[in-house]
Amino acid sequence: AQKVTQAQTEISVVEKEDVTLDCVYETRDTTYYLFWYKQPPSGELVFLIRRNSFDEQNEISGRYSWNFQKSTSSFNFTITASQVVDSAVYFCALSAVRDDKIIFGKGTRLHILP
Amino acid sequence: SQTIHQWPATLVQPVGSPLSLECTVEGTSNPNLYWYRQAAGRGLQLLFYSIGIDQISSEVPQNLSASRPQDRQFILSSKKLLLSDSGFYLCAFGKGGGANVLTFGAGSRLTVL
Repeated sequence: AQKVTQAQTEISVVEKEDVTLDCVYETRDTTYYLFWYKQPPSGELVFLIRRNSFDEQNEISGRYSWNFQKSTSSFNFTITASQVVDSAVYFCALSAVRDDKIIFGKGTRLHILP
Repeated sequence: SQTIHQWPATLVQPVGSPLSLECTVEGTSNPNLYWYRQAAGRGLQLLFYSIGIDQISSEVPQNLSASRPQDRQFILSSKKLLLSDSGFYLCAFGKGGGANVLTFGAGSRLTVL
């Protein structure tokens, strides 16, 4: 069975601090995809990144970076120099290539304090 | 461009009443369609997904059902709502199987009293 665990329910940091959101996944599939989505206060989810299981290269996009480690089944997300606009709920998700089911974690609510 | 519309945005219903939430996609054909529910403390729970007309998979076998009467239309229904059905319902579409990047609708907030 597939499972995504985001153990951090809620995090608060002061603006300009770095923050890492954890994501641990379980799957029996050898080929799969991992995702991060952002849900701002408006409620609509926005796609941030997709990673396939064969690509363990870390990725950086501006202040955002992602660390994928198959050995620990983790796909962590770091925001550097956080800003108030980063305040949102962040979801990690998993899907297998063999089907079209996409499973989400429970999300981490991030508060960036001015 | 590809867009997704979901309605109603807000709904307050008494226990035992029926439910119908509708979602339509524009700008693409044969999308994969998904219904998720976001309840407090439970994250995004996958309810149904569909890879084509008459191809709907259910993840939550309770009092909810889904239908896809047209290629780009996805409807979530219930004959009798329960208090536990309260939540934020999100429709999404994607293309491309397991590599789907989902585009989400604005959501429907349901309160069952």
